[in-house]
Amino acid sequence: KAGVTQTPRYLIKTRGQQVTLSCSPISGHRSVSWYQQTPGQGLQFLFEYFSETQRNKGNFPGRFSGRQFSNSRSEMNVSTLELGDSALYLCASSFGTSRHEQFFGPGTRLTVL
Amino acid sequence: GQQLNQSPQSMFIQEGEDVSMNCTSSSIFNTWLWYKQDPGEGPVLLIALYKAGELTSNGRLTAQFGITRKDSFLNISASIPSDVGIYFCAGPRNTDKLIFGTGTRLQVFP
Repeated sequence: KAGVTQTPRYLIKTRGQQVTLSCSPISGHRSVSWYQQTPGQGLQFLFEYFSETQRNKGNFPGRFSGRQFSNSRSEMNVSTLELGDSALYLCASSFGTSRHEQFFGPGTRLTVL
Repeated sequence: GQQLNQSPQSMFIQEGEDVSMNCTSSSIFNTWLWYKQDPGEGPVLLIALYKAGELTSNGRLTAQFGITRKDSFLNISASIPSDVGIYFCAGPRNTDKLIFGTGTRLQVFP
């Protein structure tokens, strides 16, 4: 069965621009979570969507937003990009039950110039 | 943000040696997950633990859920070059919000 896919894999933007990243979960998974990974802060939770509803949210500014569609695919958006937003953005999917096992995609490497 | 503490931060070992690493928290977790990440890729789930004291193996990997629920351990036996990478522990907060450890970077020399 296909794994989690993320597009694009690499992205270069300039400060002030906005960006949209896409994630397709494993078939049958209803929960999609997003994480930001940087050398300084490690892996930080952004938000989680389950059945098109945001179920959890991390401590990130409102410039970071997301949504989930009826087919469980998810997008995250970052507006007014800052240099510090340069990171690997990872999407993970799970059944969304109490077993908590999340499966990650390869990530989108965002560079903000 | 909150993170779990992992030690050691990095390890340089020779092929064939056994490896031990641990993960500690100031608060209790009911699940521990161990992931491995290769450069430029997403983390791959290695082992999931759900019960205090539980010992689970996946090939040459063995992980244990600490009895206090505040720690977990990962052992790799007879290391090989493809074991190189960063190993993360993780525990859930609020359903599917995972808190990740600081990572242990493993380097294996032939």
